[in-house]
Amino acid sequence: GEDVEQSLFLSVREGDSSVINCTYTDSSSTYLYWYKQEPGAGLQLLTYIFSNMDMKQDQRLTVLLNKKDKHLSLRIADTQTGDSAIYFCAESRNNNDMRFGAGTRLTVKP
Amino acid sequence: EAQVTQNPRYLITVTGKKLTVTCSQNMNHEYMSWYRQDPGLGLRQIYYSMNVEVTDKGDVPEGYKVSRKEKRNFPLILESPSPNQTSLYFCASSFRREKYEQYFGPGTRLTVT
Repeated sequence: GEDVEQSLFLSVREGDSSVINCTYTDSSSTYLYWYKQEPGAGLQLLTYIFSNMDMKQDQRLTVLLNKKDKHLSLRIADTQTGDSAIYFCAESRNNNDMRFGAGTRLTVKP
Repeated sequence: EAQVTQNPRYLITVTGKKLTVTCSQNMNHEYMSWYRQDPGLGLRQIYYSMNVEVTDKGDVPEGYKVSRKEKRNFPLILESPSPNQTSLYFCASSFRREKYEQYFGPGTRLTVT
């Protein structure tokens, strides 16, 4: 089946930028998402991007999409300890079914 | 308060004993979905529903059933649970037009012994 892959762990210092990367295999992906999961909680949509966009910025979050390489990244500027969580990349072809990556655990050290 | 609720939050059961995990949303969402989350695998979609009486299989539907008799409820049924269904289950919902804005429930941790 189609895959979404992301590295499992990322550790940064407070105040630095974090970049979480994701690759996907389905060339017909139309919607790409980033979700955040805090301990013991469900997933919270952080941001999303349509496949006809290259970049989307929302406050401290910047999403970059390289459709040719099927590569998606999430940059968090000025990372805070409250950003420590698991971040999931997800993609959808038709916005009915979704495929998630395994999640990247972001640890922010003071 | 707009929310997705799931019950129970935790359940330990034995192989073969039928169980139902309920999911309810109060946002009048058309679209509802069930996922399971396993370490190293992320979330995998089990079933989804576009509206009342309309359901479709996701990536891992084997061993599960769903029903959508009312708009607000989308129960997940395990007719004969097996240990490989031990997992963390999430229900989600959204408006059909903005399916990318899914709201997730708090999760149900199921252990099948």
